[in-house]
Amino acid sequence: SQKIEQNSEALNIQEGKTATLTCNYTNYSPAYLQWYRQDPGRGPVFLLLIRENEKEKRKERLKVTFDTTLKQSLFHITASQPADSATYLCALLWGGGNKLTFGTGTQLKVEL
Amino acid sequence: NAGVMQNPRHLVRRRGQEARLRCSPMKGHSHVYWYRQLPEEGLKFMVYLQKENIIDESGMPKERFSAEFPKEGPSILRIQQVVRGDSAAYFCASSPQQDNEQFFGPGTRLTVL
Repeated sequence: SQKIEQNSEALNIQEGKTATLTCNYTNYSPAYLQWYRQDPGRGPVFLLLIRENEKEKRKERLKVTFDTTLKQSLFHITASQPADSATYLCALLWGGGNKLTFGTGTQLKVEL
Repeated sequence: NAGVMQNPRHLVRRRGQEARLRCSPMKGHSHVYWYRQLPEEGLKFMVYLQKENIIDESGMPKERFSAEFPKEGPSILRIQQVVRGDSAAYFCASSPQQDNEQFFGPGTRLTVL
């Protein structure tokens, strides 16, 4: 079965630095991969989507890369701010499937 | 354009009672997904519905759980004879098309006493 791994350890970084979060998967490459942000007590909020034939996607301070050879996606937040502190979820959809499979998320804390 | 709405936000039930969770998708969205999130665990897919049809229910427990999305009105996730292990946050998401980003509601936190 498909497996998604995100670093379960919290990531603490200093304000202004670039945060990099990792999402690894096993077996088949997904049709596309999405990143969501989740704050405590709230539902996930969609951030970025990258398809299997795309290498990189950007949106403001966010950047996502997708390496189907390494079976890995990296999520970058540049010039990080305390307001970026949240849990970030990676989600994959495999071709022909109807459902997203989520990783357990990585908690990011940006300190002043 | 209002986002995905879920109610109630918090629901407390005693073992053996029924829980009904409601989800109103975003306007214009005909695809609805239900997920369950247990403490310290990731979101787990339960069921995918498209107006009046269940498309994929591979994540639904075989017993006690059911879902519907009628022509008129919200989608309903129904849990009969709840047990303590059903305590979790239940999220609904909607999308305008199948392979598109999903917009999540605020969730319903179910506590079974």
